[in-house]
Formats: sequence, structure tokens, C-alpha cells
Amino acid sequence: AQTVTQSQPEMSVQEAETVTLSCTYDTSENNYYLFWYKQPPSRQMILVIRQEAYKQQNATENRFSVNFQKAAKSFSLKISDSQLGDTAMYFCAFIITQGGSEKLVFGKGTKLTVNP
Amino acid sequence: NAGVTQTPKFQVLKTGQSMTLQCAQDMNHEYMSWYRQDPGMGLRLIHYSVGAGITDQGEVPNGYNVSRSTTEDFPLRLLSAAPSQTSVYFCASGSSGDAAKGEQFFGPGTRLTVL
Repeated sequence: AQTVTQSQPEMSVQEAETVTLSCTYDTSENNYYLFWYKQPPSRQMILVIRQEAYKQQNATENRFSVNFQKAAKSFSLKISDSQLGDTAMYFCAFIITQGGSEKLVFGKGTKLTVNP
Repeated sequence: NAGVTQTPKFQVLKTGQSMTLQCAQDMNHEYMSWYRQDPGMGLRLIHYSVGAGITDQGEVPNGYNVSRSTTEDFPLRLLSAAPSQTSVYFCASGSSGDAAKGEQFFGPGTRLTVL
């Protein structure tokens, strides 16, 4: 089965500090894509960062970066200099291929609270 | 561009009623999809479409129908609503190449309650 697991239902961090959200996944494929989506209280789903499995270099988007460990099937998100606006649900997601079509599979999410 | 729009934003139904959740996008995306979000469950794929006239089932398709007569619209129909379908529904779209890479644009969601 191809699954995404987020083991931290909730986390909190002080403003300006760094926090890391964990994600593990399971797949037998060699080439795939991994993502982190953010869902603030407005419910809007926003793509934060994307990692292509064939790239060894970890993806970075401003204050957001990932630690991609392909052999361990681990894909954690690091948020540096946390801001109050980072308060949101964060979902790890993964592309799977079934029946010739690609489908996005989400983890159950981590609720992050940034405290002033 | 309006992006991905969903109507209505909120809806309350009684068990057995039918309704259609509307989804439209103005980005000429080939790929469109419907997800439901339940507490503690993340987002789960209901149905998706890779182009006009082509639809397929996702992870949780039972109780839902879809059609794709135009590139812009992808309505989700509940034929006989059940309390288990109480959820927040998201529509998303992407270009074929980007959608395959997970880059989908999401609508604002519809909160549905079935009594």
C-alpha cells in the first residue's frame, strides 16, 4: 500500500524559532513527487514546497525547507524564523500512480500553532 | 483569473436529499478533482478527471457521481445524502503535467452537513 504518515497531530513553536514537521511515506516506485501543503484557518489549501525524488538536493522555498531521506522514506519540513501567519494545518502529500493515472495522497496533517 | 470557484460555501441537507456541488476553473486546466476532508483524516480523493468526457474514481467514490462535459466545470453530485457524507469538500485543478506533479490549485471548499 502507498501511504503517507504524519506522526505529530499537533505542534507548537514560539515566534522566530525553528520547527520541524515529520512525514514518512511508503512506496515501491523509484520516481515520484512529495509535497507539503498548508491549510490556514481560512481552509484554503496552499502548496508550500515540492520535492522530486530523483533530485538529491533538498528543496527550499524562503523560510521553508525539507530534509528528504529517500532510503529512509522520510520527508520532513523545516520552518525557520516562524511567524504568526504560519499557524495552520500542514499536510504531507505524495503522488501515486494507479491504473495509469496519478493521484495525490495526503497524510492526516499536523496542526502547527505559532505562539507570540 | 478567478482560479477555482466552488458553490455553495455552506449547505445543510436532510438524509435522502440530493444536491450538486459546483466547481469551475478558468485556467484551462485539464485535470480536476474532488476531495473530502474529515477531522483527523486528511484529504481523500473522491473522483477526478483528466479532461472533458473522462472521469475516474478515487479512494472514496461511493455515494458520489461526477461528469465533465466541459473543461471548465466539474460538478459533484450526491444522489441520496447520508450523514456519513457530512464533510468539507474541496475541488482542485491543474494542468496535466503539473497536476501529475501534485501542483493543484484548490477551491475555497464547501462545508456540507447532512442531518
